Amino acid sequence: DQQVKQNSPSLSVQEGRISILNCDYTNSMFDYFLWYKKYPAEGPTFLISISSIKDKNEDGRFTVFLNKSAKHLSLHIVPSQPGDSAVYFCAASAHRDDKIIFGKGTRLHILP
Amino acid sequence: GAVVSQHPSRVICKSGTSVKIECRSLDFQATTMFWYRQFPKQSLMLMATSNEGSKATYEQGVEKDKFLINHASLTLSTLTVTSAHPEDSSFYICSARGGVARTNEAFFGQGTRLTVV
Repeated sequence: DQQVKQNSPSLSVQEGRISILNCDYTNSMFDYFLWYKKYPAEGPTFLISISSIKDKNEDGRFTVFLNKSAKHLSLHIVPSQPGDSAVYFCAASAHRDDKIIFGKGTRLHILP
Repeated sequence: GAVVSQHPSRVICKSGTSVKIECRSLDFQATTMFWYRQFPKQSLMLMATSNEGSKATYEQGVEKDKFLINHASLTLSTLTVTSAHPEDSSFYICSARGGVARTNEAFFGQGTRLTVV
């Protein structure tokens, strides 16, 4: 049973435009959500996180939105840059056990 | 951000031998460390969670006798793949979380590419 779902395996966006990566979750106990960026053969790099008490968190070009009623979150990158091309993982954890559960990732291609 | 160092980055071993992978938090005390495995084009699969000084908690389907995890100190955790077989070939990644606030994000090592021949 996949608790964190990223239904788009890949996404292509023109440089300078907005990239929107989506994530859905099923476990209502999740109270902390994270986005990671990963290049091939490297470990994930933390990007941004959001607690369930918030519905938006912004850090530079990255903004994460959380819709608890829909169990949905999204990562917005604006403007998109060539170096943003990577795989983005959505992840979630529950206060009770601290495990971080990852989605399958979305490969983002930034087009010149 | 915090630094997590994983070693080795790449290892090739013969079938039947054991391989140890180290994960170190370099500039913070990691109260919790996680070990993940990633198959090609797939997600990071959590294998186990370890807290310093206690036994690791393994996810369902992960053989604890095959994947030995030791978290002996606040800066070091090791994963030993015992009696490795070709199907154990994969990309293994550790992550570490520390500090008082549980909302601290986990930081990841660079990963270890294990190839069993």
